[in-house]
Amino acid sequence: GQNIDQPTEMTATEGAIVQINCTYQTSGFNGLFWYQQHAGEAPTFLSYNVLDGLEEKGRFSSFLSRSKGYSYLLLKELQMKDSASYLCAVGDSNYQLIWGAGTKLIIKP
Amino acid sequence: GAVVSQHPSWVICKSGTSVKIECRSLDFQATTMFWYRQFPKQSLMLMATSNEGSKATYEQGVEKDKFLINHASLTLSTLTVTSAHPEDSSFYICSASRLAGGDYNEQFFGPGTRLTVL
Repeated sequence: GQNIDQPTEMTATEGAIVQINCTYQTSGFNGLFWYQQHAGEAPTFLSYNVLDGLEEKGRFSSFLSRSKGYSYLLLKELQMKDSASYLCAVGDSNYQLIWGAGTKLIIKP
Repeated sequence: GAVVSQHPSWVICKSGTSVKIECRSLDFQATTMFWYRQFPKQSLMLMATSNEGSKATYEQGVEKDKFLINHASLTLSTLTVTSAHPEDSSFYICSASRLAGGDYNEQFFGPGTRLTVL
């Protein structure tokens, strides 16, 4: 079957660094996406990885290891506005997105 | 670019009525549109996938006669919740995909429609 696993909830302190992990087992692989979703709003695109390695975008970085079926989203210099749910999604062989349940990130002052 | 709009942004209706939600890709042609439902504190649940000019593919457990999807053009898809009941109250989100290069299927999300059925 197809499966995306990520932690349900994480807590971090403002100004710190947090890493949100995602492991996946899917039929085929056409890229891994990270989305941010604030409560009551639709998801917004953060990053896309299709090759192994680290992609950096400002305070956010995303890493992929296809052989391990593993990715992480790294958030640096955390701000209160980063409190949100972070969704990991994988494109399968049919170019359908398989969604993780999301990780709720709580930022404390 | 890649803006997706939804209308209405929220709607309150009486039990038994039907509600239509529109999803439009404003500045690109969407090869595929997706409809999601999200209950409070839960992740997105894919309801159906629609390609322009063909019938929608519904996920298991989603009643196709209750949730009617029409994808009339490459920029417009509609979801009609027929005979809505309070348990249909949810946040409905559409997304649109433009396959670029064959291996990039980013979905662009609409802002969502909050449906409350009294």
